[in-house]
Amino acid sequence: GEDVEQSLFLSVREGDSSVINCTYTDSSSTYLYWYKQEPGAGLQLLTYIFSNMDMKQDQRLTVLLNKKDKHLSLRIADTQTGDSAIYFCAEISMNSGYSTLTFGKGTMLLVSP
Amino acid sequence: DAGVTQSPTHLIKTRGQQVTLRCSPKSGHDTVSWYQQALGQGPQFIFQYYEEEERQRGNFPDRFSGHQFPNYSSELNVNALLLGDSALYLCASSASTGQGEKLFFGSGTQLSVL
Repeated sequence: GEDVEQSLFLSVREGDSSVINCTYTDSSSTYLYWYKQEPGAGLQLLTYIFSNMDMKQDQRLTVLLNKKDKHLSLRIADTQTGDSAIYFCAEISMNSGYSTLTFGKGTMLLVSP
Repeated sequence: DAGVTQSPTHLIKTRGQQVTLRCSPKSGHDTVSWYQQALGQGPQFIFQYYEEEERQRGNFPDRFSGHQFPNYSSELNVNALLLGDSALYLCASSASTGQGEKLFFGSGTQLSVL
């Protein structure tokens, strides 16, 4: 079945770049996502990438996809204290169908001043 | 444009009781999915509704049921509550046409079962 793995914690200083990594197992994945969750809140869609792309950039966010290694990363440039949150990697696969997401357990990003 | 709205925001129930959670999808969306997020975990897919029918279901018991109304809003019902049902319940909406790959989530309902 599908499985998505993430490192659990990342700590950076304000102004540095953050890189959050994710691996997935389902080779039929069509879209891969990054969601952000702040304390007590729902999930905010940050960005997503189609599986035939290897990079997508959106302002401070850069997503890299290595389909051969089933590895996805999210780079946040010039990380701010407001970026502190839990970041979830998720995939949609043809096996699960109908836009159902499989999530990792989340990476807690702590940004210190 | 209102996003995905869920009610109530918090709920406290006791074991054995029943609960109903509600969701209104984002304007223009016709598909609603429900997810359960236990503390410290990623969201787990419960089921998805489209055209007022359950289209797909995750690995959840029959105590979890749902409904979708003609206006695309949805309810999640949980019967015979267990302590382990305590979680954040998230609703996500998407469009069946166009950018159906974009799922938007509500802020969730925090359910505590005592």
